[in-house]
Amino acid sequence: RKEVEQDPGPFNVPEGATVAFNCTYSNSASQSFFWYRQDCRKEPKLLMSVYSSGNEDGRFTAQLNRASQYISLLIRDSKLSDSATYLCVVNGPPGGYNKLIFGAGTRLAVHP
Amino acid sequence: DGGITQSPKYLFRKEGQNVTLSCEQNLNHDAMYWYRQDPGQGLRLIYYSQIVNDFQKGDIAEGYSVSREKKESFPLTVTSAQKNPTAFYLCASREAATLYNEQFFGPGTRLTVL
Repeated sequence: RKEVEQDPGPFNVPEGATVAFNCTYSNSASQSFFWYRQDCRKEPKLLMSVYSSGNEDGRFTAQLNRASQYISLLIRDSKLSDSATYLCVVNGPPGGYNKLIFGAGTRLAVHP
Repeated sequence: DGGITQSPKYLFRKEGQNVTLSCEQNLNHDAMYWYRQDPGQGLRLIYYSQIVNDFQKGDIAEGYSVSREKKESFPLTVTSAQKNPTAFYLCASREAATLYNEQFFGPGTRLTVL
């Protein structure tokens, strides 16, 4: 089983739609979580950290479910500019070098 | 402007040649990382360094080497021993390798072996 798993997509949605991605992680001791956005042929950029209580940043909402070991990202009112690959990132278990483990990403395509 | 720079943006190499990819950061971050990204795959960790003059192998270190002589610089050498080096290489840094710190990435270098 992969340490971090994501549905590769693509998710094809019209402008204005609401879309949600899930990501599962295998290590129950993981303690920090992030969503990154990666545009085609560019570097990943931090979209948001994911906190235990859930957090919202404008049209983006992230949730963490520790019991089921998944995190989610909800995008409301999708824009054309939201088209990208969204990477789920989980910090490895405490100790060692606190490695970040990256999922392969979920591709989102927003169309007019 | 603080950030991470990588050069060159594109690099072409003949088989059997060693090449060195540059990574510089002016964020005063302690930790630096090298990743490799292949199409449809997640980022895979090649090497990391938590502090100057120290570095450790990541998950796929074979055929690569690094140095960390200065805090701001973490060059990666792709040696001829790397069997399949064509990929997108990303350098990243982090303030410290602690639990809640995010990583920041450079723009990447695309390496193609001819």
